[in-house]
Amino acid sequence: DVKVTQSSRYLVKRTGEKVFLECVQDMDHENMFWYRQDPGLGLRLIYFSYDVKMKEKGDIPEGYSVSREKKERFSLILESASTNQTSMYLCASKTGVTRTYNEQFFGPGTRLTVL
Amino acid sequence: DQQVKQNSPSLSVQEGRISILNCDYTNSMFDYFLWYKKYPAEGPTFLISISSIKDKNEDGRFTVFLNKSAKHLSLHIVPSQPGDSAVYFCAASAGQFYFGTGTSLTVIP
Repeated sequence: DVKVTQSSRYLVKRTGEKVFLECVQDMDHENMFWYRQDPGLGLRLIYFSYDVKMKEKGDIPEGYSVSREKKERFSLILESASTNQTSMYLCASKTGVTRTYNEQFFGPGTRLTVL
Repeated sequence: DQQVKQNSPSLSVQEGRISILNCDYTNSMFDYFLWYKKYPAEGPTFLISISSIKDKNEDGRFTVFLNKSAKHLSLHIVPSQPGDSAVYFCAASAGQFYFGTGTSLTVIP
């Protein structure tokens, strides 16, 4: 089975702190994604990566950056955390090129609270 | 602008009955549709999918129907079980995935 793990289940940070969220997948997937989930807004794509060192902006990239130095690891970085970044962050991975008809596999999520 | 919409935030159904979850989309370029199930404090898990060349896909108790002319997708769960209580997200893809806002299903024993 595909396993996607995220470094923390719960995280509390202060405004202005730099925050790193780590995601690791063990199935050699080419594509990895970061979403945030907020009540009434569903899952919104922040960034995605289709290969090592490659990244693409999603729908809401402002205030975030990403890093993919190894195929299995995709990091989300909040350069200066703000209270409006309090959310559930979900990492996902998917095999094949972007247009292949298969599903994304999600990690358990990180509940980030910014005070 | 929300390209995938789930207009019912919640749904309650008696155990053994049918649950019908609905999803509407606006982009006619979407050609692959999925349903995910999410329990609290867990990530979404894939449930069932359908490509745009089909109008129905069935997997056990779960059936997804696609009406392309109406840009409408539905998930039927028959019979519903208490363990089906979760939030259900529909998603649509033309490359990038777009998710709906979710419907919270409660199956009452």
